[in-house]
Amino acid sequence: DGGITQSPKYLFRKEGQNVTLSCEQNLNHDAMYWYRQDPGQGLRLIYYSQIVNDFQKGDIAEGYSVSREKKESFPLTVTSAQKNPTAFYLCASSRAGARDTQYFGPGTRLTVL
Amino acid sequence: GIQVEQSPPDLILQEGANSTLRCNFSDSVNNLQWFHQNPWGQLINLFYIPSGTKQNGRLSATTVATERYSLLYISSSQTTDSGVYFCAVVPNDYKLSFGAGTTVTVRA
Repeated sequence: DGGITQSPKYLFRKEGQNVTLSCEQNLNHDAMYWYRQDPGQGLRLIYYSQIVNDFQKGDIAEGYSVSREKKESFPLTVTSAQKNPTAFYLCASSRAGARDTQYFGPGTRLTVL
Repeated sequence: GIQVEQSPPDLILQEGANSTLRCNFSDSVNNLQWFHQNPWGQLINLFYIPSGTKQNGRLSATTVATERYSLLYISSSQTTDSGVYFCAVVPNDYKLSFGAGTTVTVRA
């Protein structure tokens, strides 16, 4: 099946630890995105990548890092510098850029203990 | 940046009822999408509709780009329609900006 997978579904982290969230797509899409969703709110853009080996900061990039070494993979690292990391994280992809339809993965729920 | 406002914030419907959700945006856009987020958090793309009208089963959407709004119509609502509906737009900077959503609850 074609689609976007995210792992893990649930993640628990102690304060001060870095964690990496996985996002993989087999849709052959060039563009990939990471969003953060807090309870009762819309999604906010963390990072996006329009092509392999290139990525740009979104609106709330502080405390996060990404890499785009392969077209199908766009992992997100939540670093200890992120002050309030507990949230629902969603990965998306689109064929070319944000002007194209975006398709979302099932999300990762991160909780800091 | 662009402002995206959705109304109403919450909507409670009896099964079988019709409803209209609204999305207003503050600047011209190149892309407008409607999404449904189910209770498990999955976002499903409903419509890609920067202008005009589209229909998909019991759902339809209309975007009037010149007046900067879009409407999502739900007809003959079912309990499976419950969830949060998001409008998202792309202004000139290629970033998809989301509204805060409309939470729809359909009661049997």
